[in-house]
Amino acid sequence: GAVVSQHPSWVICKSGTSVKIECRSLDFQATTMFWYRQFPKQSLMLMATSNEGSKATYEQGVEKDKFLINHASLTLSTLTVTSAHPEDSSFYICSAKGGAGFEQYFGPGTRLTVT
Amino acid sequence: AQSVTQLDSQVPVFEEAPVELRCNYSSSVSVYLFWYVQYPNQGLQLLLKYLSGSTLVKGINGFEAEFNKSQTSFHLRKPSVHISDTAEYFCAVSDRRNNFNKFYFGSGTKLNVKP
Repeated sequence: GAVVSQHPSWVICKSGTSVKIECRSLDFQATTMFWYRQFPKQSLMLMATSNEGSKATYEQGVEKDKFLINHASLTLSTLTVTSAHPEDSSFYICSAKGGAGFEQYFGPGTRLTVT
Repeated sequence: AQSVTQLDSQVPVFEEAPVELRCNYSSSVSVYLFWYVQYPNQGLQLLLKYLSGSTLVKGINGFEAEFNKSQTSFHLRKPSVHISDTAEYFCAVSDRRNNFNKFYFGSGTKLNVKP
């Protein structure tokens, strides 16, 4: 149980375009989802926290207009990188937790390359 | 804010030797502690967690960790490693100030098991 999927697993896009990444909880209802960014050889940095039906809460330094997060249902959250630039290239990982639980279940990640 | 320190960025070790990966955190309030493993181009897999109770926690794949409140440490150990343990290991902490909702990750330790 507690499986989280991400789609796509990797994507290449041209500078200036937008790309959407999906995060799904497959066998539980995720009341809260988290989006992380992982730079090469570095740790995961929390970008934002989203609760179903609410606006996402962004961490300091994360541009909310650039990284659009939607959590429209209890099983799906999306991250849209708008007007992507090469510096947005990174590994994006989502996690989800259900109800009052504290444990986060992580997706397999999406590698974004902006050319 | 919480900070998590993994002092060793890389740990080389021979197969069947014991290993310890170190993790220290900064919080002075109640914490939950986690160790995750990440294989190349994959998401994070939970190895073990400390919530309360016994300070010695056993996880999957023969790993264990000990919570030391006075030293604010949560070191990960395995008495005999295998080639398949080669991966990157992340320590994570959440605390009461954020209702255990926000995870803070260390910078990771790459474990390289040699034959």
